[in-house]
Amino acid sequence: DTGVSQDPRHKITKRGQNVTFRCDPISEHNRLYWYRQTLGQGPEFLTYFQNEAQLEKSRLLSDRFSAERPKGSFSTLEIQRTEQGDSAMYLCASSLPSGQGGGSPLHFGNGTRLTVT
Amino acid sequence: AQSVSQHNHHVILSEAASLELGCNYSYGGTVNLFWYVQYPGQHLQLLLKYFSGDPLVKGIKGFEAEFIKSKFSFNLRKPSVQWSDTAEYFCAVSGISGGYNKLIFGAGTRLAVHP
Repeated sequence: DTGVSQDPRHKITKRGQNVTFRCDPISEHNRLYWYRQTLGQGPEFLTYFQNEAQLEKSRLLSDRFSAERPKGSFSTLEIQRTEQGDSAMYLCASSLPSGQGGGSPLHFGNGTRLTVT
Repeated sequence: AQSVSQHNHHVILSEAASLELGCNYSYGGTVNLFWYVQYPGQHLQLLLKYFSGDPLVKGIKGFEAEFIKSKFSFNLRKPSVQWSDTAEYFCAVSGISGGYNKLIFGAGTRLAVHP
């Protein structure tokens, strides 16, 4: 399978612990996105990278959230000092660069479901 | 602020019934419009997209959507649904101000098709 891969699929953690999720995009995609999805809602944009550059991070939910893509390939999303409200599905997506007059469709992974107890 | 509104949260149909799912967006400039589908236990998949040109867009599995600029709408249609269409459907928009990179999603419509 050459799609977007996310690890782990599920993570249960206690409040106050740090968690890190990994995303491996489709190999030829230079753009990588993180979204969060809570029950009954659509995915909510968090941040995105073009190669290793993080081009927008204003939507990261607080300073407890950070993302990296050090070599322009895989990415990690870290949540420090987790809270119960962080429980959600965290989705990663990747795409080719935008073309003239339009974007490229996003290809999503299966997500990491985080439960904070 | 940019937003996407999906009118129905839950839709229940019998097989062979026709489907129309509503989607309205608020965005001031040129937009790209998408419908994504999430089958049970699977990841989000692109159903169809509109960038420019013919406002009637055909996607996979017999789905189509019509972009009506004057109504800021991009409704999804299928003439005859099948049980396998049971899934959650998300409308999404991106615009030039975000470099077309930031998709804004609606809350989704959960479709159940009964045999």
